[in-house]
Amino acid sequence: QVQLVQSGAEMKKPGASVKVSCKSTGYTFNTYGISWVRQAPGQGLDWMGWISAYSDDTKHAQKFRGRVILTTDTSTSTAYMELRSLRFDDTAVYYCARDYRSGSIDYWGQGTLVTVSS
Amino acid sequence: QSVLTQPPSASGTPGQRVSISCSGSSSNIGSNYVFWYQQLPGTAPKFIIYRNTQRPSGVPDRFSASKSGTSASLAISGLRSEDEADYYCAAWDDSLSAVVFGGGTKLTVL
Repeated sequence: QVQLVQSGAEMKKPGASVKVSCKSTGYTFNTYGISWVRQAPGQGLDWMGWISAYSDDTKHAQKFRGRVILTTDTSTSTAYMELRSLRFDDTAVYYCARDYRSGSIDYWGQGTLVTVSS
Repeated sequence: QSVLTQPPSASGTPGQRVSISCSGSSSNIGSNYVFWYQQLPGTAPKFIIYRNTQRPSGVPDRFSASKSGTSASLAISGLRSEDEADYYCAAWDDSLSAVVFGGGTKLTVL
C-alpha cells in the first residue's frame, strides 16, 4: 500500500532553516510528484509547492518563493522540503503528499511539527 | 481568505444526509479536477474524492460528490458519528499556478 513517512518533529530558532524528509513506499516513486502542504495551529491547509520525481519541474506558491527548496532523491524514494529564514508564524505541521501533476494530491504523510521559538 | 469558499460549519444527526459546498471560479474548479479530503481530529488529511466524483477504494459509498460549473459539492448520507471531521476541497488554479484549498468545513454529528 502507498505510504509516505516523514521525519520527526523539529524545534528551531527564528532565522534558522529546517529540512523535512518524506520517504515513499508502495508505488514507483519516479512516476509521481510530491506536494508539500502546511497547517498552522487551528488553521486550514496551505499549499507550499510541488516537485516532480519524473522530470525537472517544480512549482512554488508565491508566498514561499525564494524561501523553500524542494528536492528529491530517486535512489531512496525520498523527497525533501527545506524552509529557510524561519519566522514565528512558520510554526505548523508540514505534510508531504503524493501528487501526480500538481493539483492531484492523494496519499498524505503523517505530518511533521515544526516549532519556531526563541 | 481562501480562494475556494466553503461554509465553516455543518451539522446533522445520525442517519441524515448533509452536503458541503465548495465555490470557486473559472480558473480553478471551472477548468480543473476537484479533490475532497477528510481530516479527523489530530490526524493527517485523507483523500475521499478524486477527479470531481471518484471514490477511492475503501471509502464508503455514503460519500459522493458532484461538480457543476465553478462549484462542487460533497454529500454524506447515512451520517455516522465517525464522520465528524474537517472537510476540505482543493483544485489547481491556472491563474495562480498553485493548488488552492477551501477554508475547511467542520462537520458535527449531533
